[in-house]
Amino acid sequence: DQQVKQNSPSLSVQEGRISILNCDYTNSMFDYFLWYKKYPAEGPTFLISISSIKDKNEDGRFTVFLNKSAKHLSLHIVPSQPGDSAVYFCAATSDSSYKLIFGSGTRLLVRP
Amino acid sequence: NAGVTQTPKFQVLKTGQSMTLQCAQDMNHNSMYWYRQDPGMGLRLIYYSASEGTTDKGEVPNGYNVSRLNKREFSLRLESAAPSQTSVYFCASNPRLAGVGYTFGSGTRLTVV
Repeated sequence: DQQVKQNSPSLSVQEGRISILNCDYTNSMFDYFLWYKKYPAEGPTFLISISSIKDKNEDGRFTVFLNKSAKHLSLHIVPSQPGDSAVYFCAATSDSSYKLIFGSGTRLLVRP
Repeated sequence: NAGVTQTPKFQVLKTGQSMTLQCAQDMNHNSMYWYRQDPGMGLRLIYYSASEGTTDKGEVPNGYNVSRLNKREFSLRLESAAPSQTSVYFCASNPRLAGVGYTFGSGTRLTVV
């Protein structure tokens, strides 16, 4: 049973436009959510996170939104750049747990 | 500027062979983790070590063992490799600080034939 789901395996957007990556979770105990970016042949790199006490967190071009009632979060990238092309993983954990649970990833392609 | 270092980067094993994947971090993090990545499956937790001297099973521990040798090092052992263990393995560490994500190594690509 997947606790963290990314239902879109891929997404293609034009350079300069907005990219929206979605993630759903089922475990109501999760209280901390993270997004990771992964290039081929490299390890995942931490991008941005959000605590369950917030509904939005911004870092430059990246914004994460959290809707706790819907158990849904999204990552917005504005404006999208070709260098953003990568696989993006959503992940979740709880304060009492040492485990980080990942979704299956969304491959983003930003077309020049 | 090391972070998390994994060795080897690539390995081919025959079914039934054993091997140990090594991981070391130089950031003084308490917690360390082993994940495997398979197509369409994301990253799945194999084992983790919340602190030196402790280890616990993750989502997919069968066929693996781990050793937290000291605070820096966390190894993953395959006693009798199977083709189902063909995967990319990632080690990670975590300082357990709010707002700080896990740091991952660059991975070990393992093929079992």
